[in-house]
Amino acid sequence: AQSVTQPDIHITVSEGASLELRCNYSYGATPYLFWYVQSPGQGLQLLLKYFSGDTLVQGIKGFEAEFKRSQSSFNLRKPSVHWSDAAEYFCAVGFDAGNNRKLIWGLGTSLAVNP
Amino acid sequence: DTGVSQNPRHKITKRGQNVTFRCDPISEHNRLYWYRQTLGQGPEFLTYFQNEAQLEKSRLLSDRFSAERPKGSFSTLEIQRTEQGDSAMYLCASSLGGSLHGYTFGSGTRLTVV
Repeated sequence: AQSVTQPDIHITVSEGASLELRCNYSYGATPYLFWYVQSPGQGLQLLLKYFSGDTLVQGIKGFEAEFKRSQSSFNLRKPSVHWSDAAEYFCAVGFDAGNNRKLIWGLGTSLAVNP
Repeated sequence: DTGVSQNPRHKITKRGQNVTFRCDPISEHNRLYWYRQTLGQGPEFLTYFQNEAQLEKSRLLSDRFSAERPKGSFSTLEIQRTEQGDSAMYLCASSLGGSLHGYTFGSGTRLTVV
């Protein structure tokens, strides 16, 4: 069965430090990959997505993610974290299986940023 | 294009009451999805519409839950005889086509059943 794993439930970094959030998926083919961010009490905002082509994807707010087929991973990175990046981050995977219509979600990684 | 709009933002209701939420998708999006998210969890798929047709319902959607999208535009999600376990954030998303186009989410409706 398809699944998405975000191994880190909670991460704390200092402002200005680099960040990497991990995401692994289980699927027999190449899925469509997404990262979303959710601030407290808010909906989900799309940071970036990968469908095909260049495996390094640039997103909004200075985020990027790299698709590594050999590792079934799609890790999110940011070179210098800002205090406003504190939020919940979700990795999601969409599967192209006929009339595909929904995403499979990880459980999220909560990011705290120390001043 | 004002994005996906959900109303109300917050709803507190007594156990046993009925509640109804509304979602207005992006106007040109033909697909509309409902998700439920509890604290510390990712969103869980509930149901989705393509235009006015409800094409799939999750097993999470008990018979107390009903969703409609009568004219293929806005959608409503009704919960009858609410239970404390229904307390969650209810998220609506819309898209043009399937997952290839990603989703645009609304800000959600937070339901608290007391």
